Amino acid sequence: EAGVAQSPRYKIIEKRQSVAFWCNPISGHATLYWYQQILGQGPKLLIQFQNNGVVDDSQLPKDRFSAERLKGVDSTLKIQPAKLEDSAVYLCASSSNIHPGSITDTQYFGPGTRLTVL
Amino acid sequence: AQSVTQLGSHVSVSEGALVLLRCNYSSSVPPYLFWYVQYPNQGLQLLLKYTTGATLVKGINGFEAEFKKSETSFHLTKPSAHMSDAAEYFCAVTLRQGGKLIFGQGTELSVKP
Repeated sequence: EAGVAQSPRYKIIEKRQSVAFWCNPISGHATLYWYQQILGQGPKLLIQFQNNGVVDDSQLPKDRFSAERLKGVDSTLKIQPAKLEDSAVYLCASSSNIHPGSITDTQYFGPGTRLTVL
Repeated sequence: AQSVTQLGSHVSVSEGALVLLRCNYSSSVPPYLFWYVQYPNQGLQLLLKYTTGATLVKGINGFEAEFKKSETSFHLTKPSAHMSDAAEYFCAVTLRQGGKLIFGQGTELSVKP
């Protein structure tokens, strides 16, 4: 089966500009996650969707970050305006989560989008 | 709140030597534990996971990890390192399936010929 797709793979912008990332999860996966991975650190969850509803966005800087998952499939993550500290790799992951508690609910990660803010 | 600590940001071993990557967690309830590997410019790939049952978990590429509740540890081992094992390894915890993963800061593994 096809994996999680993300685009673009790399993006360089200047501070105060806006940027958007796109994610296409594995077909049929109900849950989608966006993580931020700053250089030298582990990934940190920004937002989690179950179908097209938000489950957890407690660590999303809502003054500048937004995300949507229309129709419960693809998702976009936007930053507006970008700051220097937003330079990171943005990872998208998905899991089937059809049966909560199932040991098969592994999160599958995409290759990420590397954002550099100058 | 749960947290994960990986001891050593960088580990270097010789090819054929034992690989030991350390992970300790903090959780108020029984956790689910994971090890992921990240190769350069790629996403994370699941190596293995512990949910319930047998505490010794075998994963892909010859890796295994043992859940030790008394030590709150989930160390990753491989008997004999291969050059292709060079990568970044992340330990993670979640309190429930489908919940957010809390990652450690990562350990970069280097393998010397």
